[in-house]
Amino acid sequence: DADVTQTPRNRITKTGKRIMLECSQTKGHDRMYWYRQDPGLGLRLIYYSFDVKDINKGEISDGYSVSRQAQAKFSLSLESAIPNQTALYFCATSDARRGGQETQYFGPGTRLLVL
Amino acid sequence: GESVGLHLPTLSVQEGDNSIINCAYSNSASDYFIWYKQESGKGPQFIIDIRSNMDKRQGQRVTVLLNKTVKHLSLQIAATQPGDSAVYFCAENIGRGSTLGRLYFGRGTQLTVWP
Repeated sequence: DADVTQTPRNRITKTGKRIMLECSQTKGHDRMYWYRQDPGLGLRLIYYSFDVKDINKGEISDGYSVSRQAQAKFSLSLESAIPNQTALYFCATSDARRGGQETQYFGPGTRLLVL
Repeated sequence: GESVGLHLPTLSVQEGDNSIINCAYSNSASDYFIWYKQESGKGPQFIIDIRSNMDKRQGQRVTVLLNKTVKHLSLQIAATQPGDSAVYFCAENIGRGSTLGRLYFGRGTQLTVWP
């Protein structure tokens, strides 16, 4: 979905390096999410934010941090990357006005390889 | 063709046949369900959704059926086409309390359409 963009699309880094993945959206949604996808598995939630001042841990937040710089921007950081963080990362947004029954719209993903 | 999304992650069908992809969800409090399609190298794309007060919902060539008694969801694709080849995920939303707005994803089913 072109309304949700992620940068970079691909990244190779080394163990111990700090990495930031960025997400921007033009949908005007309040809620933003970061997911991780591993081969053969579904999407697992890392962190989510329901508005600019709200940050919540998901299922697998250890080793990650996030920053909600503005309504339209939500970044994910790996403070010290390790090889088992090699995965496909997706950002998503949803519209809080639907009161919990919300479709999430996904970005194109960032493929991260940690050597 | 038919599959259970969580236990048989692949489904192969002939072009023109109907496809049925199944999903068992876990929480009886789930009140909103979404089917996503993920093509290779892309983010999940919304296909169709259904609320828990409905049993059936139809879209263009797709139908979602919800059986709350046995906590089962299915996606039917009519006249399957090669462009339908993708991984299909079901997601459930438990729209109450601290989990409001969060989606929980199944592992996905790989649908392959043969000419």
